[in-house]
Amino acid sequence: AQKITQTQPGMFVQEKEAVTLDCTYDTSDQSYGLFWYKQPSSGEMIFLIYQGSYDEQNATEGRYSLNFQKARKSANLVISASQLGDSAMYFCAMRGSRSGYSTLTFGKGTMLLVSP
Amino acid sequence: KAGVTQTPRYLIKTRGQQVTLSCSPISGHRSVSWYQQTPGQGLQFLFEYFSETQRNKGNFPGRFSGRQFSNSRSEMNVSTLELGDSALYLCASSLVPGEAKNIQYFGAGTRLSVL
Repeated sequence: AQKITQTQPGMFVQEKEAVTLDCTYDTSDQSYGLFWYKQPSSGEMIFLIYQGSYDEQNATEGRYSLNFQKARKSANLVISASQLGDSAMYFCAMRGSRSGYSTLTFGKGTMLLVSP
Repeated sequence: KAGVTQTPRYLIKTRGQQVTLSCSPISGHRSVSWYQQTPGQGLQFLFEYFSETQRNKGNFPGRFSGRQFSNSRSEMNVSTLELGDSALYLCASSLVPGEAKNIQYFGAGTRLSVL
């Protein structure tokens, strides 16, 4: 079975500062993908960034980067230069080869609040 | 390019009724997945469809069912509604299933309230 753990229920950051959202995962799959999604109060889940288990370099997408430490089973999201619009719920998710890459398993999420 | 479209956005039903939710995937996407989101259980996988066939199913009772049409649009149905079915139902689409890097893009969801 796969499991995603997000230990920070809430995070506060000031505008323009960087913030790291923690994510650890547990899986026996050799091949898997890790994802981060953002969910504003409107409800829509917005894809942010993807990291494959065999990718040697950390993924980056604009202000988002994923700090992937495979041996520690950690996939932290780093947001540089926070903006007010970054205030939202953030979910870490994964899917692996045993489910045929079918099922996304989500963590409980971290609520990020960005203040002016 | 239009995103994933879910209709309706909001629904209010009473216990015992049934409900049908609709999802139109991104153009060209052939795989559709459904998830239920509740404050207590978080996000849970319901099912995945590809080429009009259910490819995978989560741990939900048989009251939850779905289908996919030849144009990749999908519907999910919940019969004999219970109070615990109140949730945000999210639909996600991707090009094809079966690859780790396949990004699932989500719709805005249908918020179902059962009274």
